[in-house]
Amino acid sequence: KAGVTQTPRYLIKTRGQQVTLSCSPISGHRSVSWYQQTPGQGLQFLFEYFSETQRNKGNFPGRFSGRQFSNSRSEMNVSTLELGDSALYLCASSSNRGEILETQYFGPGTRLLVL
Amino acid sequence: GEDVEQSLFLSVREGDSSVINCTYTDSSSTYLYWYKQEPGAGLQLLTYIFSNMDMKQDQRLTVLLNKKDKHLSLRIADTQTGDSAIYFCAETYPRDYKLSFGAGTTVTVRA
Repeated sequence: KAGVTQTPRYLIKTRGQQVTLSCSPISGHRSVSWYQQTPGQGLQFLFEYFSETQRNKGNFPGRFSGRQFSNSRSEMNVSTLELGDSALYLCASSSNRGEILETQYFGPGTRLLVL
Repeated sequence: GEDVEQSLFLSVREGDSSVINCTYTDSSSTYLYWYKQEPGAGLQLLTYIFSNMDMKQDQRLTVLLNKKDKHLSLRIADTQTGDSAIYFCAETYPRDYKLSFGAGTTVTVRA
């Protein structure tokens, strides 16, 4: 099976712009999660979707949003970019069927640089 | 489940065993994971252990879980230069639908 894919791999934006990142999960996986990784804060959970429904959201401002499509692909959007949004954004998918989040498999990430 | 702690650095000689330690705080944790991250890459799942287990072995990797002390460890036998990376432990518990990660342990393998 193909792994989790993320596009684009690298992005450079300027402050105030917005950005959309895309994630395609492993075939058959219906849960998609997003994480932000920075040197200062480490790995922080953004949100998780299952069957197009957001089941959990991390402590990020409303500028961070996401969605999941019927084919399980997911996008996340960051509006009004700030310098502090520069990070590696990681997407993960799992075959989660119940209350317990089953093993998550991560994509290579999108590295966002905000100037 | 927000306070997963790890030591930050470990230096080990090639061929020796590495032991990476992690403590977690949520007693309802269900799965506990170890991920590896190499420079410029995403997270690679190494192994995981279910909270009702004490130990799991997978080739060179051994995971030990001490639920009483909420302590998780990863032992890498015969450490190789390719094992140089950052290792993250993570936990999840029912209906939380997320992983809570430690800060990561940077393992450096020296010849």
